[in-house]
Amino acid sequence: AQSVTQLDSQVPVFEEAPVELRCNYSSSVSVYLFWYVQYPNQGLQLLLKYLSGSTLVKGINGFEAEFNKSQTSFHLRKPSVHISDTAEYFCAVRTSYDKVIFGPGTSLSVIP
Amino acid sequence: DGGITQSPKYLFRKEGQNVTLSCEQNLNHDAMYWYRQDPGQGLRLIYYSQIVNDFQKGDIAEGYSVSREKKESFPLTVTSAQKNPTAFYLCASSIGQINQPQHFGDGTRLSIL
Repeated sequence: AQSVTQLDSQVPVFEEAPVELRCNYSSSVSVYLFWYVQYPNQGLQLLLKYLSGSTLVKGINGFEAEFNKSQTSFHLRKPSVHISDTAEYFCAVRTSYDKVIFGPGTSLSVIP
Repeated sequence: DGGITQSPKYLFRKEGQNVTLSCEQNLNHDAMYWYRQDPGQGLRLIYYSQIVNDFQKGDIAEGYSVSREKKESFPLTVTSAQKNPTAFYLCASSIGQINQPQHFGDGTRLSIL
């Protein structure tokens, strides 16, 4: 069965510092990988996606993620965070029309 | 602008009452989904529909029902059989390819009176 693990439930980081949010998955079939961001009382917004090709994927708001097949990871990074990045971040793995597995989320808090 | 509209934003249910959450999309997407989100948890799939007049149960369908009479609309009914309905409900849609992301509405927060 597929699963998604986000190792850190909460990540506090100072403004302008770098951040990495970790995501690991398990799947016996090919996967498509996504990172979403959720602001309070809102829906999820796509940050970036990995479908194939280059393992380094760039997304919106200065975020990027690297797909590592051997480690089954898809970690999200940003070199310098802003207050506005405070939100919940979800990693998701898709293997079929109905199988989109979301991780439990990581709450990023940016400290001024 | 194209998007997904969920209404109402907040909803209260009395004991024994059925309530219906609305989801409308103008993205011309074939597939639509309903998720439930509880604090500290990821999203759990309730129902999904790939085409009009067809839908499939997700992981937690008990106590919920849906219909898909129009491509644009996918309403979710939370029945009285759902004993713990308090949650944030998210509707999503996507085009009919598995390598494409889902687009989400802004959610409906359901609470019990």
